[in-house]
Amino acid sequence: AQKVTQAQTEISVVEKEDVTLDCVYETRDTTYYLFWYKQPPSGELVFLIRRNSFDEQNEISGRYSWNFQKSTSSFNFTITASQVVDSAVYFCALSEGDSGAGSYQLTFGKGTKLSVIP
Amino acid sequence: NAGVTQTPKFRILKIGQSMTLQCTQDMNHNYMYWYRQDPGMGLKLIYYSVGAGITDKGEVPNGYNVSRSTTEDFPLRLELAAPSQTSVYFCASSDIAGALYEQYFGPGTRLTVT
Repeated sequence: AQKVTQAQTEISVVEKEDVTLDCVYETRDTTYYLFWYKQPPSGELVFLIRRNSFDEQNEISGRYSWNFQKSTSSFNFTITASQVVDSAVYFCALSEGDSGAGSYQLTFGKGTKLSVIP
Repeated sequence: NAGVTQTPKFRILKIGQSMTLQCTQDMNHNYMYWYRQDPGMGLKLIYYSVGAGITDKGEVPNGYNVSRSTTEDFPLRLELAAPSQTSVYFCASSDIAGALYEQYFGPGTRLTVT
């Protein structure tokens, strides 16, 4: 069974600080996909990134960066120079890639609520 | 493209009432999903469908039913509403072809059962 753990329930930072959101996953599959979604106060889910298990390259997109380490089963998300608009709940999720007739369903962590204080 | 649309956005039900949450996608995706999100929790899968006419249970299917008569529509039915079904419900779809695997989410339906 797959599992995603986001140990940080809530984080508060002052604007312009850097912040890292942790994500640890468990899976028995060798092929899997990891995701980060953002849920702003308005409630919709916004896709941020997808990473497959064969690509351990870190990725940077503007102020966002992701550090994928298979050795520690972690897929951490860093926001550089945080802004008030970054305030949201961030979810890490896992999809196993080869489940036969399976669903490719997403297993979500419980989320980390980030508050950026001006 | 509208993407994934859900109706209604909000609903209050009395215990024992029934209702159908509607979900439609216009991206010709084969895979569709229903999730529920309880306060302070991540999303949990209720049901999913891999194509028209094919549905299967997810992690928390009890109290719900689904059908998939067309590629576009994937309604979720609550037969006898219970307070434990108070939640925010998200529909999602994905295109497995090309190994995209990203799920596109609808805006959610906030349901309260009293």
